[in-house]
Amino acid sequence: DTAVSQTPKYLVTQMGNDKSIKCEQNLGHDTMYWYKQDSKKFLKIMFSYNNKELIINETVPNRFSPKSPDKAHLNLHINSLELGDSAVYFCASSRLAGDGEQYFGPGTRLTVT
Amino acid sequence: DQQVKQNSPSLSVQEGRISILNCDYTNSMFDYFLWYKKYPAEGPTFLISISSIKDKNEDGRFTVFLNKSAKHLSLHIVPSQPGDSAVYFCAATLQGGSEKLVFGKGTKLTVNP
Repeated sequence: DTAVSQTPKYLVTQMGNDKSIKCEQNLGHDTMYWYKQDSKKFLKIMFSYNNKELIINETVPNRFSPKSPDKAHLNLHINSLELGDSAVYFCASSRLAGDGEQYFGPGTRLTVT
Repeated sequence: DQQVKQNSPSLSVQEGRISILNCDYTNSMFDYFLWYKKYPAEGPTFLISISSIKDKNEDGRFTVFLNKSAKHLSLHIVPSQPGDSAVYFCAATLQGGSEKLVFGKGTKLTVNP
């Protein structure tokens, strides 16, 4: 059984489009995260939700909007996609907020053309 | 501003020998450090952690050493196995809050049979 799953695994789209990435965890964790790994391989936090409430919001363009319908899901919607949004996006979860031991999904490779 | 640095992008060792991966940090407030391992096309997986109140933590073949005065930690893998070939990320955070994980850029370890 997959602990943290993301869909889709690959996403190729054109500039200006709007797209969503979905994430689900079946670990019963309270906290979920979105990370971006850019072309330089840095893995950087974008958002964190604890029990459906936003607790970390890094300096991310407001074209990115996370949504957590319940504790087990954290989706990422991106409006007006730009070339610089091309990256691998990882969803993760942890038992508690600030828990360093996080469980990551397999990643979604987004390519904007 | 890179608060967590892994200055070696790659490391190659022979099977059975020791692998030593290094990590430096600049933020003296960090008090909890972790190592994650990542295989291609998968998300990072937690490997081992250490709190700043310790200088060593061991788990099987993996040992993490922390030198607070030098703001340096290292991961030792003994003996190295071909299955250990992966990218290793060092991460740091402040324990006990909702603080984010700050990752290094990763070191690609190749263990040759």
